[in-house]
Amino acid sequence: DIVMTQSPDSLAVSLGERATINCKSSQSVLYNSNNKNYLAWYQQKPGQPPKLLIYWASIRESGVPDRFSGSGSGTDFTLTISSLQAEDVAVYYCQQYFTTPWTFGQGTKVQIK
Amino acid sequence: EVQLVESGGGLVQPGGSLRLSCAASGFTFSSYWMSWVRQAPGKGLEWVANTNPYGNEKYYVDSVKGRVTISRDNAKNSLYLQVHSLRAEDTAVYYCARHTNAWDYWGQGTLVTVSS
Repeated sequence: DIVMTQSPDSLAVSLGERATINCKSSQSVLYNSNNKNYLAWYQQKPGQPPKLLIYWASIRESGVPDRFSGSGSGTDFTLTISSLQAEDVAVYYCQQYFTTPWTFGQGTKVQIK
Repeated sequence: EVQLVESGGGLVQPGGSLRLSCAASGFTFSSYWMSWVRQAPGKGLEWVANTNPYGNEKYYVDSVKGRVTISRDNAKNSLYLQVHSLRAEDTAVYYCARHTNAWDYWGQGTLVTVSS
């Protein structure tokens, strides 16, 4: 199984400041034949289902604010919130869909400092 | 508008069985892979099972193999999860989710509690 490890487990950022979440996979999720990274990011607020933010490691889902961006390739990935807003308080998960079992990181809780 | 509505959760005794349902609307259900994903209280997300648009390809996480069956009825726009021999560790909110490039739509979930 591919193990996804996020860091940090939690972070507190001031409003308007940058938040950065890292995700590392135990093996590459880059499919060489199409040069795509099978990596997604989700946001989950309390009492709600997860919401897709980013897929193919860096493609923003329709309707997602452009302050959210994804980067990385192979085994190392980053989700960046360029200017944290109050509504961004949530838990964020990375997920690989390269191979079954599809697996998630343990989650990173983002709070306001 | 895409909607996924789960039902069928509840309190079940250890060793019991349950059938979860997911009613889909607002899209061509028969064209999409569909999954079940669960989340234990206060914990992270765990993919449980998925099936292809025709229902003839099915995949399961090892922890549920032999106890869980995913199925679908495209005529009824519905996805199902039959769970047998329930254990305390199966206690979770169970979500159905639609696949495109990743999981782009999720239901609100149905809570399954396994307890005596």
